[in-house]
Amino acid sequence: DAGITQSPRHKVTETGTPVTLRCHQTENHRYMYWYRQDPGHGLRLIHYSYGVKDTDKGEVSDGYSVSRSKTEDFLLTLESATSSQTSVYFCATGLGQSLLGYTFGSGTRLTVV
Amino acid sequence: AQTVTQSQPEMSVQEAETVTLSCTYDTSESDYYLFWYKQPPSRQMILVIRQEAYKQQNATENRFSVNFQKAAKSFSLKISDSQLGDAAMYFCAYIDNDMRFGAGTRLTVKP
Repeated sequence: DAGITQSPRHKVTETGTPVTLRCHQTENHRYMYWYRQDPGHGLRLIHYSYGVKDTDKGEVSDGYSVSRSKTEDFLLTLESATSSQTSVYFCATGLGQSLLGYTFGSGTRLTVV
Repeated sequence: AQTVTQSQPEMSVQEAETVTLSCTYDTSESDYYLFWYKQPPSRQMILVIRQEAYKQQNATENRFSVNFQKAAKSFSLKISDSQLGDAAMYFCAYIDNDMRFGAGTRLTVKP
């Protein structure tokens, strides 16, 4: 979706290195989310934000941190990447509990070797 | 624990035929929203259809329709006149506090 940009699209990194994934939105949505997608699990929520500097943990938050300094940007950081964090990461935005659902970015494929 | 269950990891349908993908979910909320998303090989998440839990009438979008059974917590997706472009991964999801997804059903369309 043109309203959400994720960078990078692909990344290969080594175990133990820090990694930051970026999400930028032009939707002006209050809520932003980070999900990871793994076979057999669908998409699982890592962290979410309900406003600038307001964030909370999701279902699989261990090993991840987030920051939101502006409405448009939501960063996901892996402090010390592990092989279990190899996944496809999606950013999403939305209006919270709404029939509009969420709008998703195109995903980042992260491989930790 | 998975709160959305898609019991069919893979499904196959002949072009122009009809296929139904199943989904059950678990929530204690009385008001929530349900969705089906399509994910083609491009990885993009595309909203297919949506339903408000308090509405009895089943949602329809062109060839896509749902069978929503609130008491049974069931939300199946029917695709009529299947086309080759329908081949994709399909995810069932609901929102109460945040969006929860099933594990997905991979749909193959045979010419």
